[in-house]
Amino acid sequence: SQKIEQNSEALNIQEGKTATLTCNYTNYSPAYLQWYRQDPGRGPVFLLLIRENEKEKRKERLKVTFDTTLKQSLFHITASQPADSATYLCALDMNPGNTGKLIFGQGTTLQVKP
Amino acid sequence: SQTIHQWPATLVQPVGSPLSLECTVEGTSNPNLYWYRQAAGRGLQLLFYSVGIGQISSEVPQNLSASRPQDRQFILSSKKLLLSDSGFYLCAWRSGGGQFFGPGTRLTVL
Repeated sequence: SQKIEQNSEALNIQEGKTATLTCNYTNYSPAYLQWYRQDPGRGPVFLLLIRENEKEKRKERLKVTFDTTLKQSLFHITASQPADSATYLCALDMNPGNTGKLIFGQGTTLQVKP
Repeated sequence: SQTIHQWPATLVQPVGSPLSLECTVEGTSNPNLYWYRQAAGRGLQLLFYSVGIGQISSEVPQNLSASRPQDRQFILSSKKLLLSDSGFYLCAWRSGGGQFFGPGTRLTVL
């Protein structure tokens, strides 16, 4: 079955630096790969979606890359701010035209220090 | 704009008691709806999804059930709660590929 690996250790960086989070998966490449932000005690918030035929997607300070050969996605936050501190979840959508079911990774916690 | 509601926000229930969690969506029609559970320090586990009224698919065998009596209403139920049912329950709907989550219900089974 499909498995997703996100670094379980928290990522601590200094304000202003670029944060890079990794999402690795096994088996088949998903049609869509998505990134979500989750704050403590709240539901996840959808950030970005990248399709299997796309290499890179940007939104403001966020950038996502998708390498189906490496079976990996990288999520970058440039000019990071303390407000970016949260847990970031990677999710795979293997069949978006049908059920839209997602497989979530366990998330990586980012801590941006002022 | 679309809005998703869940209630209650928190719930403490004894083992063996019944459960009913409700999710409603506003501002859209015929959405795909999903129930997830997130145990402490764990990822999101998909429990049920629905592509329409009365259509429920179960992802994980367990003592929970789901129903969709109306287009924008999704209910998670149990006849008898177990300790292992404790967790953070999230409802979501799908739009444009991404999923949009409700505020969640924190369930503690004692």
